[in-house]
Amino acid sequence: QMEVVESGGGVVKPGGSLTLSCVASGFSVTTYGMHWVRQAPGKGLEWVAFMHYDGTTKTYANSVKRRFTISRDGSRNTLHLEMNSLRSEDMAVYYCVKDNKKTVGSNLFYYMDVWGKGTTVIVSS
Amino acid sequence: DIQMTQSPSSLSASVGDRVTITCRASHSINRYLNWYQQRPGRAPKLLIYGTSNLHSGVPSRFSGSGSGTDFTFTISSLQPEDFATYYCQQSSNNPRVVTFGGGTKVEIK
Repeated sequence: QMEVVESGGGVVKPGGSLTLSCVASGFSVTTYGMHWVRQAPGKGLEWVAFMHYDGTTKTYANSVKRRFTISRDGSRNTLHLEMNSLRSEDMAVYYCVKDNKKTVGSNLFYYMDVWGKGTTVIVSS
Repeated sequence: DIQMTQSPSSLSASVGDRVTITCRASHSINRYLNWYQQRPGRAPKLLIYGTSNLHSGVPSRFSGSGSGTDFTFTISSLQPEDFATYYCQQSSNNPRVVTFGGGTKVEIK
């Protein structure tokens, strides 16, 4: 059974740094693309970052570009999100999510099929 | 960047009702549109990918349609466990960038 478990959330001051981790089981993070998605209190879902299974292609939401870095440790089957220069608007539950794809007819569809329970980041002085 | 607009933002319905949610993309996304359900305090769950394909284990009362910029998500007969928030999501692949709609909260009337 495929599963991801996040950790590393906590309370951090504005301008501070925090690194989130996500341990995958039942699949390899070097075989599937992986995302971070966040949800601020009472708000909707916001995509944060993506790492392609090849480990070299990474994309970020404009709101976190140049402040957050997605990375992985294949030997530990773990995904990370390094967050710097944290702001109050970064306060959210952060979900680690597995990417997947399926061909239907002539179309190749991508979707997010395995979600963790999330880890909470609080940015407060 | 592609923006996704969902409507309504919330609705009230009764068990057994037919419920329809719409999602509009700011640019054509072909059929690269997914739908997720999020129950309170829980992580989201994939329901439909590629506009109309049911994810494994998802009941057939859920369906989706559309293409280009306009999409529809339907629950044919609302069940008690369907009261939740639903999100549409586009997923372009070059580069791989994801955008969610603002969500539709389905509440009990």
